[in-house]
Amino acid sequence: KNQVEQSPQSLIILEGKNCTLQCNYTVSPFSNLRWYKQDTGRGPVSLTIMTFSENTKSNGRYTATLDADTKQSSLHITASQLSDSASYICVVTPSGSARQLTFGSGTQLTVLP
Amino acid sequence: NAGVTQTPKFQVLKTGQSMTLQCAQDMNHNSMYWYRQDPGMGLRLIYYSASEGTTDKGEVPNGYNVSRLNKREFSLRLESAAPSQTSVYFCASRGGRHEQYFGPGTRLTVT
Repeated sequence: KNQVEQSPQSLIILEGKNCTLQCNYTVSPFSNLRWYKQDTGRGPVSLTIMTFSENTKSNGRYTATLDADTKQSSLHITASQLSDSASYICVVTPSGSARQLTFGSGTQLTVLP
Repeated sequence: NAGVTQTPKFQVLKTGQSMTLQCAQDMNHNSMYWYRQDPGMGLRLIYYSASEGTTDKGEVPNGYNVSRLNKREFSLRLESAAPSQTSVYFCASRGGRHEQYFGPGTRLTVT
C-alpha cells in the first residue's frame, strides 16, 4: 500500500529559528509531491509542488527538497514567524491516478515568541 | 472568487440522524472530492467526482452517499449517522497540476 510518513509528529521552536520537516514515501512512480500548510480550523493550502525530476523548490521562506532515489522530501522553514504555526502535510500524487492522492498525517509546528 | 465553500461549519447529530453537507466551488473545476480528517491520520478520500454527472468511491465510502448536482456543487449525505463518523469533513476541487483547493471544513460530532 502506498504510504507517506512524516516526522516529527510535532515540533516546537522559537520565533526566528529555522526548522526542517521530513517526509518519506513509498509511492512509485509518482506525478508530483506537494507540501500543504493547514492552519487550525482551516483547509490545507498548497505551499510547493515538485515533479520527480525536480529536487528543490522555494516559496518565500519555505524551501522543499526532493530525493527521488531515497524517496525522501523535506520542508525547510527559515526565520520562523508566529504565523508559521500550523500543520504541514506532505502529499504524493501517484502517476496515472490523480484522484488517489496519498496524504501524510502531518507535522504540527508551534512557533513560540 | 470565494473558492470552495462548505456548509455548515459545525454540526452535532444523534446516532441514526441524517444530514447533508454542502459544497460549492466557483473556479470552474471539473473534479471535486470529499475527504475526512481524523486525529493522527492523513486525509482520506470518501468520494470523488471527475465531472458533472459522475461519482466514484474512494478509500472510505461506507455510510456515505454523494450527489454532483451540477459543475459547481457536490454534496455529501450521511443517511444514518454513527459515532464513527465523527470527524472533520473537507471538500476540495482540482485545478491545474493536480493542485487541490480545499474548503474550510465541517466539524461533525455524532453522539
